[in-house]
Amino acid sequence: DTAVSQTPKYLVTQMGNDKSIKCEQNLGHDTMYWYKQDSKKFLKIMFSYNNKELIINETVPNRFSPKSPDKAHLNLHINSLELGDSAVYFCAVRQNYGYTFGSGTRLTVV
Amino acid sequence: DAKTTQPTSMDCAEGRAANLPCNHSTISGNEYVYWYRQIHSQGPQYIIHGLKNNETNEMASLIITEDRKSSTLILPHATLRDTAVYYCIVRGHSGNTPLVFGKGTRLSVIA
Repeated sequence: DTAVSQTPKYLVTQMGNDKSIKCEQNLGHDTMYWYKQDSKKFLKIMFSYNNKELIINETVPNRFSPKSPDKAHLNLHINSLELGDSAVYFCAVRQNYGYTFGSGTRLTVV
Repeated sequence: DAKTTQPTSMDCAEGRAANLPCNHSTISGNEYVYWYRQIHSQGPQYIIHGLKNNETNEMASLIITEDRKSSTLILPHATLRDTAVYYCIVRGHSGNTPLVFGKGTRLSVIA
């Protein structure tokens, strides 16, 4: 079993659409994150959730809405997609000594 | 989080030790030094972390200077699969403060 799994791995969609990216973890830890890596390869924190509650919300447009139905899942819903949303999105889970990242979702908005 | 400074890129011959430096002169007493790496198209991977003592695990060694203002990540026998971007990050061990990534060092292992 993959510790942190994201779906889909690739997502191509048109501007203006609404899409969701899913993240599931089987590590049993409470704190989960979403990171965005843009074309310049900078990794930036977007959101942090602890035990289904939003802890950190960096300067992210309100078109982005994380949702945590339970402690094992942290999904990212994006409304009215824009070209600038094209990036790789990584989910991460905090463990005792460090973070475990998913393999990423490459979102391309055309 | 305290900021870190790393060289933009480094080369290393396959089989040789790769020594990746990091400066963190504003580190505070309760902050740890973490190292992660990102191999192309993959998620970042935890390597090692330390507070003030040198640390070693199956992946690497971490040498932290006595004043804690700098550290060196050592890959003892670099392989082609170690080619990646290596990130040095300083943060507290507890709380919900997330990892903040800088630009890292792009290590190229050359055959």
